[in-house]
Amino acid sequence: QVQLVESGGGSVKPGGSVRLSCATSGFTFGDFYMSWIRQAPGKGPEWVSYINGRGTTQYYADSVKGRFTISRDNPKNALYLEMTSLRVDDTAVYYCVREKRGVFGWFFDSWGQGTLVTVSS
Amino acid sequence: SYDLTQPPSVSVSPGQTASVTCSGDNLGDKFVSWFQQRPGQSPLLVIYRNDMRPSGIPERFSGSNSVNTATLTITETQAVDEADYFCQVWDNHVAVFGSGTQVTVL
Repeated sequence: QVQLVESGGGSVKPGGSVRLSCATSGFTFGDFYMSWIRQAPGKGPEWVSYINGRGTTQYYADSVKGRFTISRDNPKNALYLEMTSLRVDDTAVYYCVREKRGVFGWFFDSWGQGTLVTVSS
Repeated sequence: SYDLTQPPSVSVSPGQTASVTCSGDNLGDKFVSWFQQRPGQSPLLVIYRNDMRPSGIPERFSGSNSVNTATLTITETQAVDEADYFCQVWDNHVAVFGSGTQVTVL
């Protein structure tokens, strides 16, 4: 079955950097768009970024544009999020999420368990 | 930016019907997804494309979307349905989530 396992979270100081990874299995990774979605404590989910199956197209939320970079390694079935110039309000659980796109629209059908990033001095 | 509005909470008695609304400008022109999130768990897709259920989601979950309001309906609500529910749409390559509704089964 579909498995998405995030890693790389932890504590970092404001202005610092973190690289998140997501190991995937159970599906043909390169056939799917992937997203990172975050959720601050006690808040609703906030979409961060998506990347297409070949890794040639990326979109970002305005709140992270210019600071975060999404990438993927299809032979390794892995998704990444490079996070720089981190701010306190970037503190959240970060989820790796698979997207389905087609005649039924675009939707998030599988979520990982998440990895917590805490930005604090 | 596009905004989705949900009521903060909904209460329902076991066996009754719970309705969770999601409002947005011309929401009926978009496809709405709904997610269930139990405490300490990741969100789970329960409805996509307004009214379609993924495999494994009980038939008591249904959705509709018209004009400016989408509705998630849970019939014969069970204690296990107690959770936060979020609506979500895509708007110009940006995914937008509602603020969430806590469904309490009393």
